[in-house]
Amino acid sequence: DIQMTQSPSSLSASVGDRVTITCRASQGISNYLAWFQQKPGKAPKSLIYAASNLQSGVPSKFSGSGSGTDFTLTISSLQPEDFATYYCQQYNTYPLTFGGGTKVEIK
Amino acid sequence: QVQLVQSGAEVKKPGASVKVSCKASGYTFTDYLIHWVRLAPGQGLEWMGWINPHNGDTNYAQRFQGRVTMTRDTSISTAYMELSRLRSDDTAVYYCARALWGDACDIWGQGTMVTVSS
Repeated sequence: DIQMTQSPSSLSASVGDRVTITCRASQGISNYLAWFQQKPGKAPKSLIYAASNLQSGVPSKFSGSGSGTDFTLTISSLQPEDFATYYCQQYNTYPLTFGGGTKVEIK
Repeated sequence: QVQLVQSGAEVKKPGASVKVSCKASGYTFTDYLIHWVRLAPGQGLEWMGWINPHNGDTNYAQRFQGRVTMTRDTSISTAYMELSRLRSDDTAVYYCARALWGDACDIWGQGTMVTVSS
């Protein structure tokens, strides 16, 4: 199975900060990488597909980049509604696998 | 609007089975795969498999092979995930999500809490 390693596992940031989360795949996955946001008690929300494409309705403060094994999710200016856990997922190879998550907390 | 609505919370005893439903609306049910993903307490998201509503084909994660069965009823645009021989570590929120073939999931159901306890 392809292992997805996210870092950091948690971070504290202030409103207005620029935040970057990284995701590394144990083998190359081209650009078959998605990012999801999940808040406590809520369903995951799809943010990005194909490493860098925003899902419909997702604000442009979210951006993704990378290809092969190394990927990043950036939130350009953190807002109160962005405090959540973020997961990456590879969909290049079965079984589909997720990173362990990055919890973004308020500083 | 496009949505997936799941069945309500379940409490089951170890060894029992649970069947969760996922009703699709707002799009052509047979055009998208339905994936199932779970989130156990203190754990991360875990992919369980998918079903193709068009033809009933399935693809299960190896660790659930033999315990999971995914089915669908196209007449009511509903997908089902049945997990048998439940254990306490199957306690989790189970989500369905749709995706085009070879693409990432875009729309998720609200989740179904399954508690396994004696």
